[in-house]
Amino acid sequence: GAVVSQHPSWVICKSGTSVKIECRSLDFQATTMFWYRQFPKQSLMLMATSNEGSKATYEQGVEKDKFLINHASLTLSTLTVTSAHPEDSSFYICSANEPGMYGYTFGSGTRLTVV
Amino acid sequence: DAKTTQPTSMDCAEGRAANLPCNHSTISGNEYVYWYRQIHSQGPQYIIHGLKNNETNEMASLIITEDRKSSTLILPHATLRDTAVYYCIVRVENNFNKFYFGSGTKLNVKP
Repeated sequence: GAVVSQHPSWVICKSGTSVKIECRSLDFQATTMFWYRQFPKQSLMLMATSNEGSKATYEQGVEKDKFLINHASLTLSTLTVTSAHPEDSSFYICSANEPGMYGYTFGSGTRLTVV
Repeated sequence: DAKTTQPTSMDCAEGRAANLPCNHSTISGNEYVYWYRQIHSQGPQYIIHGLKNNETNEMASLIITEDRKSSTLILPHATLRDTAVYYCIVRVENNFNKFYFGSGTKLNVKP
């Protein structure tokens, strides 16, 4: 079945720095990918839709200048958390849809800790 | 997409069937019912989906009421590894439609 790979699985960064998270569809092409954020003991919150070759669309309340999304190829989307602060510490998860298949495949997530 | 309501948590004895309910009383005729689960600190995993008919696969069965206002996910023989948060989502089938997650049901499978 479809596999979505995320890297890194966990990262610790200093406050004020930026960190990039990669999401790859390993055996299929994905024109659209989605990014979620999940705080402890809460549900997944959709942040943005990543569109190959065009700008990402962000959910209401998500700062597009803080969470930069780039979908430069049909198999790779990146999320960059800029000027990270401790409140950005969270579990970030991406997902993609394999054409012709129902539902989405999710990556294994990236645990970001900002210190 | 229609809103779903699920119990916050449920317990199930290992080896017994786990029946997880979901209410989606405002579901539209073209909306599918999807079930995903999330084991702690992992990405969600697809379980099953359906439109009108009951569905079964190697993981679970999905029972959808005739009026489609509710559904039940059945794990026939729960194991400790089935302990997870289970999410019921309704959504119009479209490659670009988003999945919005509700609060889900925390299933605790106990020895």
